[in-house]
Parts: sequence; structure tokens; C-alpha cells
Amino acid sequence: DTEVTQTPKHLVMGMTNKKSLKCEQHMGHRAMYWYKQKAKKPPELMFVYSYEKLSINESVPSRFSPECPNSSLLNLHLHALQPEDSALYLCASSQGRGPSDTEAFFGQGTRLTVV
Amino acid sequence: AQSVTQLDSQVPVFEEAPVELRCNYSSSVSVYLFWYVQYPNQGLQLLLKYLSGSTLVKGINGFEAEFNKSQTSFHLRKPSVHISDTAEYFCAVSRVYTGGFKTIFGAGTRLFVKA
Repeated sequence: DTEVTQTPKHLVMGMTNKKSLKCEQHMGHRAMYWYKQKAKKPPELMFVYSYEKLSINESVPSRFSPECPNSSLLNLHLHALQPEDSALYLCASSQGRGPSDTEAFFGQGTRLTVV
Repeated sequence: AQSVTQLDSQVPVFEEAPVELRCNYSSSVSVYLFWYVQYPNQGLQLLLKYLSGSTLVKGINGFEAEFNKSQTSFHLRKPSVHISDTAEYFCAVSRVYTGGFKTIFGAGTRLFVKA
């Protein structure tokens, strides 16, 4: 199994809603990532979890809250988002043991629209 | 610090013609380089990677890349492109940070294959 599965594929939410994005992998990877990608731009790193601990927060606003319940799951909790937060949210995982292990496997993404 | 520069934002090419997508990197330490492809509304898929050893790296879908340390380049090539190769291509580098490693992406090159 070399897949990273993200749900839902599409999400429309209001600015007062609370929603969660989910990501799952069963490759035994110990590093998991959230990226945000705006149209015609490269993915921008948001968070990195290494061995279920948050190791990077790229100054992401607190309305985005990551959670790593176990080594296979990664969530991104959303609250009070703004329309400019509309984007493709990508989850990725890698073995996470060294620089040559940073080949990232990406999910298909969640297309988020904030209205 | 490590960074990646993709020299062309768009590359139009006719079907069955050869193509080269250019990527330059900057790094003061050993580098691990990647090329990813992204089809519309999809996640990213790894095309190939350079970790060490042979400077000519072969990837999926007939793509290859050559690592050139003296020119700090990692250009992607394909001898004959297909319509289905139309996509966004990202060059990336692994970057060390306190706590592990992360992937830094270039701005992307849009390959457009014309019939």
C-alpha cells in the first residue's frame, strides 16, 4: 500500500463553521505533512509531524489546528476560516529517518472553498 | 540554506518533440533532489529523485534528469513528449531543519504539449 488517502475530496464551509480534514497512510511512515496550495503556486508547507510530535509550524494562523492521533493518521481542524484560505490542502508522508528518506508521498488533496 | 529555482514558468512543445525543464538549486551541504508532477486537481507524484551515485537518474513515464554539481543544476528531460504529459512540474530539494527534514519546492513549470 503506497497510498496517502485524504478525505473529503471537496469541502465547502462557511466562515463560522468548524470542519476537519483527514489524512491516512499505512506505509509505516513516521513523518507527515500538511501543505497548502493556491492556484498556479507550489505547495507551501504548513505543519510537519515527526514521530507523532509537531516539529514544524510554519507560522500558520491558529484557525488551523493540526492533530496526529497516531502514526497513521493526521487531521487538520478548521475554525473561523477566511475566504482567502480557500485552496487545495495536501497531505504527505515520508519515512522521516534522514534526508534521503524525505521522498514525500502525496494524497490527492482536499479542495477547500470558504464562503 | 537550500533553495530551488525553476527557470521557466511555462514550456510549450509539440507532441513527440524533446523537452527540457530547467532547475537550479543552491545549497552549502549535500543535496537530495526530486522532480514531482501534478496533473490538474490532483496531488503530486514523484517522477524521480537524486540521492547519490550516478548523476543520470531515470524516472517514470520516460523522464530522466541529470545532476550537475558544478552547475548546481538538475534539469528534467524527455526525448519525446505526449499530450498526456501536459501538467505542472515541480523541482524540489530536501532541507534540514531542527527536528528533521522537509521538502522545499520550486515555483513550478507548466508543460503544455500541443498536437
